Amino acid sequence: NAGVTQTPKFQVLKTGQSMTLQCAQDMNHEYMSWYRQDPGMGLRLIHYSVGAGITDQGEVPNGYNVSRSTTEDFPLRLLSAAPSQTSVYFCASGRAGTEAFFGQGTRLTVV
Amino acid sequence: AQSVTQPDIHITVSEGASLELRCNYSYGATPYLFWYVQSPGQGLQLLLKYFSGDTLVQGIKGFEAEFKRSQSSFNLRKPSVHWSDAAEYFCAVGESTGKLIFGQGTTLQVKP
Repeated sequence: NAGVTQTPKFQVLKTGQSMTLQCAQDMNHEYMSWYRQDPGMGLRLIHYSVGAGITDQGEVPNGYNVSRSTTEDFPLRLLSAAPSQTSVYFCASGRAGTEAFFGQGTRLTVV
Repeated sequence: AQSVTQPDIHITVSEGASLELRCNYSYGATPYLFWYVQSPGQGLQLLLKYFSGDTLVQGIKGFEAEFKRSQSSFNLRKPSVHWSDAAEYFCAVGESTGKLIFGQGTTLQVKP
């Protein structure tokens, strides 16, 4: 019973590098989202998707891209990493009007 | 715009004492409300949720929360805190699309 799986768990990037954080869910949830968590700021929504082929921006979308080609997967792309993107990233999935299920997080450091 | 405020950034209570964590929200329609808990280095675990009906909801680990529409609040309570309850607690409001908006979080420290 995997739930929401995020990879990698830890990553160190150099400024300017690009990378993709992976998120997969096996619960057939239509809704998926990416959050970043920074001390004292709670979880802030980066991007979300209400179904395959449909994505929208959240509160802090700059510097990140997403796509949703399948129900199961929702990757987050950092186009050109900056130190300000050092954070813990959480992927979540759920159905409309219900709770979200979270992955274990990816701790990203940009040097 | 929708928002969630957790007025207490950090709370310290003695083991065995009662606990109340505050949460206020701003939302135009009837909200879906949640409390999540996060232990250090871990993901978020759902404690309880309110969608409709009885305004006092029971959750896991002995937690409960009360929805008060007139006060736009959804405070979390526990009658007797255990050392293992030390963690960060997040209140969130959910939209019908599934989108969640979180408060800033409250860190709970438990004194022996």
